[in-house]
Amino acid sequence: GNSVTQMEGPVTLSEEAFLTINCTYTATGYPSLFWYVQYPGEGLQLLLKATKADDKGSNKGFEATYRKETTSFHLEKGSVQVSDSAVYFCALSDRSGFQKLVFGTGTRLLVSP
Amino acid sequence: NAGVTQTPKFQVLKTGQSMTLQCAQDMNHNSMYWYRQDPGMGLRLIYYSASEGTTDKGEVPNGYNVSRLNKREFSLRLESAAPSQTSVYFCASSEDQVISNQPQHFGDGTRLSIL
Repeated sequence: GNSVTQMEGPVTLSEEAFLTINCTYTATGYPSLFWYVQYPGEGLQLLLKATKADDKGSNKGFEATYRKETTSFHLEKGSVQVSDSAVYFCALSDRSGFQKLVFGTGTRLLVSP
Repeated sequence: NAGVTQTPKFQVLKTGQSMTLQCAQDMNHNSMYWYRQDPGMGLRLIYYSASEGTTDKGEVPNGYNVSRLNKREFSLRLESAAPSQTSVYFCASSEDQVISNQPQHFGDGTRLSIL
């Protein structure tokens, strides 16, 4: 079946550091890939998405590239801020039948001033 | 600019009690979902509704029932609550999940504790 594997957290960084959160997936066919972010006490919000191989999704300084050859969709940001502290979820949606999101377990990011 | 609204935000129940979690969306979306979020397990799909009048089981449906009351509303019912159902519950909606790249929009969650 489909699955998503994320690096365990928490990831602790100082402000302005470079961020990478790893995400790999297992799926039949060519899924769409998503990163969602959850701020404390809130629901999940879509951060970015990519729908085919080599696509790069980007938003708010975050980027992720759909790598079919390595089945990966790693999240990166060049300079994190305290306000980026949140839990980040990688997810996929396959294209067979009724597409349902499959989520990774989430990675907590803590950014200190 | 409400989006997806869930009620209540918090609830404490005793084992064996029943409860209905309410969800409404104002985006005219066709598809709606219920998830539970547990530490270290991400989000797991309980039930979903592809369109008004249809519902289907997700990954973890046991102990739950749902009703798609109309296009806007999708409720989740616990008939006889158990401590294992202590969790944070999220409702979500999407325009039409037949198209795989449609994002889902989430409510702020209901934190449910079963004693």
